[in-house]
Amino acid sequence: EDKVVQSPLSLVVHEGDTVTLNCSYEVTNFRSLLWYKQEKKAPTFLFMLTSSGIEKKSGRLSSILDKKELSSILNITATQTGDSAIYLCAVEAGGGADGLTFGKGTHLIIQP
Amino acid sequence: GAGVSQSPSNKVTEKGKDVELRCDPISGHTALYWYRQRLGQGLEFLIYFQGNSAPDKSGLPSDRFSAERTGESVSTLTIQRTQQEDSAVYLCASSLIVSFYEQYFGPGTRLTVT
Repeated sequence: EDKVVQSPLSLVVHEGDTVTLNCSYEVTNFRSLLWYKQEKKAPTFLFMLTSSGIEKKSGRLSSILDKKELSSILNITATQTGDSAIYLCAVEAGGGADGLTFGKGTHLIIQP
Repeated sequence: GAGVSQSPSNKVTEKGKDVELRCDPISGHTALYWYRQRLGQGLEFLIYFQGNSAPDKSGLPSDRFSAERTGESVSTLTIQRTQQEDSAVYLCASSLIVSFYEQYFGPGTRLTVT
């Protein structure tokens, strides 16, 4: 059974801090790993990673995949209160329902 | 419409009753996805439709769950004989083609089974 584990489950930091969120996976026929930000109900897409070692960057957010370690990290630098959200990691793999397997998410709270 | 819409936004039902959740995708989007998010859990992928192809139903949690889509338009997710563990937010998303990183999510339906 495909599995995605995120850590930490929750994190509280102060504005301006840098945070690193972790995602590890065990799946059959890995295709891609995706990061989403969920503030209310609907998640918004952040990154899709398919190749090891290539950093994807968008403003203060960046992410990288390590296929040897079966993991990915999401970094947020100079955090702002608007970064407070649940960050979801999902892995797309072949087989089964051929869909996404999500982790439980990391609940990030940025205090002013 | 401008985005994916779902109805109802909230539904409270008694255990054992059937419920039907509706999703209107963005016009022209051929792919449509259903997810479930239970309290304290990550998103759980249920099923997706691609054009007129028959969907893979193996992600549905039990045979009480079924989903239909007519052509490339509205989809309904039906839960028969609801149980308390079915309480969750049900999210629908659509995309132009099957692409998990280009999907647009609807606002969800919060289902509470009492």
